[in-house]
Amino acid sequence: GENVEQHPSTLSVQEGDSAVIKCTYSDSASNYFPWYKQELGKRPQLIIDIRSNVGEKKDQRIAVTLNKTAKHFSLHITETQPEDSAVYFCAASRGGNNRLAFGKGNQVVVIP
Amino acid sequence: KAGVTQTPRYLIKTRGQQVTLSCSPISGHRSVSWYQQTPGQGLQFLFEYFSETQRNKGNFPGRFSGRQFSNSRSEMNVSTLELGDSALYLCASSSTGGVYNEQFFGPGTRLTVL
Repeated sequence: GENVEQHPSTLSVQEGDSAVIKCTYSDSASNYFPWYKQELGKRPQLIIDIRSNVGEKKDQRIAVTLNKTAKHFSLHITETQPEDSAVYFCAASRGGNNRLAFGKGNQVVVIP
Repeated sequence: KAGVTQTPRYLIKTRGQQVTLSCSPISGHRSVSWYQQTPGQGLQFLFEYFSETQRNKGNFPGRFSGRQFSNSRSEMNVSTLELGDSALYLCASSSTGGVYNEQFFGPGTRLTVL
């Protein structure tokens, strides 16, 4: 089955700086890559996703890049704010298949 | 639209008991997936139901089972509870209109096994 690895496990950044989280996946047939943000005690929330026919996608301060050849994708958060502090999960699945394989999560701490 | 709801939010059981958790998807969503979240293993896929049929299954023992009703509401059942079953159980609903299906999570049921 699909195996998703996520690095680093914890990331501390100064407010206003950028944060980058990287994930690798093993199944070359995976073509859907969502990112979820989970605040303490709350449900995971979809923040952005990318499909395999796209190399990059942006939504305001958040961007995701995908390298299918190397089988890795990354989340970029620019101009970080304290409300960006949370655990971020990357995931992968095959299109039409709702079985998401998740990475172990990254704790992002934004220092005011 | 109302979001995904799960009941109950918290449960305390003892080893050997069984438990049933419920999930109501977003109106119009026909797919419900279940995940187990623990600090050590993270989020792990249990199974997915679509149109009352199990469509995908993860690598969990047969003690974990589920079903889906005609109104798309889903239940999961865990029999003969073990201490290691203590976890946050999340369900996620998805429409299946396209190839890439966004999944929206419920708040979860926190199960503690004593």
